[in-house]
Amino acid sequence: DIQMTQSPSSLSAAIGDSVTIACQASQGIGKYLNWYRHKPGQAPEVLIYDASNLGTGVPSRFRGRGSATYFTFTITSLQPEDIATYYCQQYDVLPITFGQGTRLEIK
Amino acid sequence: QVQLVESGGGVVQPGKSLRLSCAASGFTFTSYAIHWVRQSPGKGLEWMAAISRDGSEDFYSDSVKGRFIVSRDNSKSTVYLQMNSLRADDTAFYFCARIIVGSNWRGHFDHWGQGTLVTVSS
Repeated sequence: DIQMTQSPSSLSAAIGDSVTIACQASQGIGKYLNWYRHKPGQAPEVLIYDASNLGTGVPSRFRGRGSATYFTFTITSLQPEDIATYYCQQYDVLPITFGQGTRLEIK
Repeated sequence: QVQLVESGGGVVQPGKSLRLSCAASGFTFTSYAIHWVRQSPGKGLEWMAAISRDGSEDFYSDSVKGRFIVSRDNSKSTVYLQMNSLRADDTAFYFCARIIVGSNWRGHFDHWGQGTLVTVSS
């Protein structure tokens, strides 16, 4: 199975800050990587697909980059509604695997 | 609008069975493969299973292969997850999710349900 390692596992930032989450794949996955936001009690939602494409209706302050084994996800101008856990997910090969998640808190 | 609604969760004893349902509406059901993803308490998302648009192909993670069976009834726009030989570590919220049109598993999940809780406990 492809292991997806996210870092950091948690972070705290102030409103208006920029934050970046990294995701490392245990083998090359091209650009077959998505990023999701999951708020407690809600359905997860896709923010970035195919490494760098914005999901439908997703604000441009979310950005994804990378390829092969290293990917980053950035939120610029952090907003209160960004409190959530963020996951990367690869779909190059089955089984589909997720990173362990990054919990984002607001200072 | 697109909706996926899970049901069937509850408390079940170890070794017993449970069947979850995922009822879909607001889109052409037969155009989409459907997946199951779970989240155990305090843990992250874990992919479980998937079924193709016509139900002819199914896919499983190693942790549930041989115990769980995914199926669909396209006349009812519903996907099922039959969970057998349940264990304590199967305790989780179970989400169904739609993958992008035309794909069985390559792509992103563009719509998810709210999830249903399964608790395996004696």
